[in-house]
Amino acid sequence: EVHLVESGGGLVKPGGSLRLSCAASGFIFSDYNMIWVRQAPGKGLEWVSFIGVGGTFIKYADSVRGRFIISRDDAKNSLYLEMNSVRAEDTGLYYCTRDLTVVIRAFDYWGQGTLVTVSS
Amino acid sequence: ENVLTQSPATLSLSPGERATLSCRASQSVSTYLVWYQQKPGQAPRLLIYDVSNRATGIPARFSGGGSGTDFTLTISSLEPEDSAVYFCQQRVSWPLTFGGGTRVEI
Repeated sequence: EVHLVESGGGLVKPGGSLRLSCAASGFIFSDYNMIWVRQAPGKGLEWVSFIGVGGTFIKYADSVRGRFIISRDDAKNSLYLEMNSVRAEDTGLYYCTRDLTVVIRAFDYWGQGTLVTVSS
Repeated sequence: ENVLTQSPATLSLSPGERATLSCRASQSVSTYLVWYQQKPGQAPRLLIYDVSNRATGIPARFSGGGSGTDFTLTISSLEPEDSAVYFCQQRVSWPLTFGGGTRVEI
């Protein structure tokens, strides 16, 4: 059974840094593109970042480009999101998801999310 | 950025009724349109990808249609457990974008 478990969220001051992790199990992690999606409290979904199989193809939303870094460690079946220079608008629940297939950007499994709160 | 606009914001219906949700894209997404369901306190669940393909385990009462810029998600006969927020997402271009959601109340 596929499981995605996020961790690393918490309270961080504006301008601070945080590193989110996602532990994957139940599938061959290295065969899948992985994605971070966030959801501000009471709001909709926002795609944050994408990392392809092998880690060489990476995309970011404009709102986080230059501040966040996505990475993966296939040996550890883990996905990461390094968040730097955080802002109040980065507050939200951060979900780790995977693509349905290598070529279909539809997210078929989601973790339960890790909450990031940016506040002084 | 391809902006997705969902309507209505809220749909209030009774069990057994038919629900029709709309998603309109500011630019064509061809057939690369995805639908998710999110219940309170839960992560989203993939319902339909590429307009009309149901994901694994999704009941047949959920169906999708459309092409280009106008899409619909239809729930043919509402069940109480269908109460949720439904989001559309385009996967044809970067950045990947979601619609603002339609809340279905039963």
